[in-house]
Amino acid sequence: QKEVEQNSGPLSVPEGAIASLNCTYSDRGSQSFFWYRQYSGKSPELIMSIYSNGDKEDGRFTAQLNKASQYVSLLIRDSQPSDSATYLCAVKRGNAGGTSYGKLTFGQGTILTVHP
Amino acid sequence: DAGVTQSPTHLIKTRGQQVTLRCSPKSGHDTVSWYQQALGQGPQFIFQYYEEEERQRGNFPDRFSGHQFPNYSSELNVNALLLGDSALYLCASSGPRGASYNEQFFGPGTRLTVL
Repeated sequence: QKEVEQNSGPLSVPEGAIASLNCTYSDRGSQSFFWYRQYSGKSPELIMSIYSNGDKEDGRFTAQLNKASQYVSLLIRDSQPSDSATYLCAVKRGNAGGTSYGKLTFGQGTILTVHP
Repeated sequence: DAGVTQSPTHLIKTRGQQVTLRCSPKSGHDTVSWYQQALGQGPQFIFQYYEEEERQRGNFPDRFSGHQFPNYSSELNVNALLLGDSALYLCASSGPRGASYNEQFFGPGTRLTVL
């Protein structure tokens, strides 16, 4: 079993629709969860971080976390062609003292295409 | 506010050679992590440096080594290059304590091709 798994793509949605990206993780010690967007040929860009169960909204993006089910998702509302990219889910274990210590473990990514 | 910078952008080497990649963290950050991203895969953690010491390491052979300097910049060295080392090498910076200490921000990456 992979440590972080994302729904297999590619995912294709029409412009204006809601894109739903899913991620499950196996390490119950994971405490921090991130979504990165990576355009072709570029490096990953952090778009959302979430630490507590529930929803977190930032503009057109909503991250959802359910630690009991070990599940993280990202919803993109009113999808635009510029949202077409690979979306990477990453998780990080908790650590005492609230420091930057610790690696990110990534899923394989989901390719999203938003067509006009 | 300068972001994470990496050099060089692209590099072509032959098998058996050695390579050094460089990274300068975002202003105010003191922790540097290195990742390897093969085509079509998510980034894989190589190691993390803090206070000039390697404090966590992923599942990479000893051919991969690094260094962090007093100004927090970092180098990644790879010896005895293999064809399989061809990848995008990403540097990420984070810290110190604060609201966003958990977040890692990536540089543009170095594309290494081994022939």
